[in-house]
Amino acid sequence: GAGVSQSPSNKVTEKGKDVELRCDPISGHTALYWYRQRLGQGLEFLIYFQGNSAPDKSGLPSDRFSAERTGESVSTLTIQRTQQEDSAVYLCASSSLLEENQPQHFGDGTRLSIL
Amino acid sequence: GQNIDQPTEMTATEGAIVQINCTYQTSGFNGLFWYQQHAGEAPTFLSYNVLDGLEEKGRFSSFLSRSKGYSYLLLKELQMKDSASYLCAVINRGSTLGRLYFGRGTQLTVWP
Repeated sequence: GAGVSQSPSNKVTEKGKDVELRCDPISGHTALYWYRQRLGQGLEFLIYFQGNSAPDKSGLPSDRFSAERTGESVSTLTIQRTQQEDSAVYLCASSSLLEENQPQHFGDGTRLSIL
Repeated sequence: GQNIDQPTEMTATEGAIVQINCTYQTSGFNGLFWYQQHAGEAPTFLSYNVLDGLEEKGRFSSFLSRSKGYSYLLLKELQMKDSASYLCAVINRGSTLGRLYFGRGTQLTVWP
C-alpha cells in the first residue's frame, strides 16, 4: 500500500509480558517516528530515526522501551515487562526531506491494552 | 521546554465557521502544523505555517503570528465529516529535525 502500515492494530496483553509493535513506513521515506497517545491526550514523542544516523531516543519513557530500524525499512518498538500505564495508542509516522513542508504521514496506530 | 495550548472541545453547526486557536511557548520556533484526526484513525496533515500570515486551502485556512506565539485554524462551511480532533504541533530549530511537539488536540463536534 501507499501509506504507513502498522501491526497489530490491536493488542491486549497481561501486565509483565513483552510486546513488539511493527511499523512499515512509506517507501523512500528516510525519517521514521514513534509516538504514544494516551486517551484524551496529545501525541507524545518517543523516538526518531533518520536514515543511518543514530536515533534520537530522548522521548523513551523508561529503559523498558526500545526500538530498532534497519536502514530505511521496517521499525519495531518493543516494550518489556509491560505496565498498565503503557496502555495507549502507539502511532508511527514517516516523512521525506524531499516533500514540501516535510509533513509526517501517520499509520493508523496500534491500540495496546495492558490488563 | 515546550508549552502548547488549545481548547479541549468546541461545537458548531453545519454550514457555520469555526476558529480553533493554538498558543505556544517554545524556544527556537521553526514552524507549526495542523493535523486532523478522526476517532480511531491516523492524524492527517492539514497545513503548515512558518511565516506570519494566512494560508488558505479550500475550506480550511491557517494563520500564524510568530511574535504572539499564536495560530488558528479556520474551518468554513462546516460539514458533519469535519467532526474530529484537530492537533496543533510545533517544530523547534534546536530539536531533532522533524520532531513535533503536539498540543492535546481540540475535539470539534459539528451538529446538523
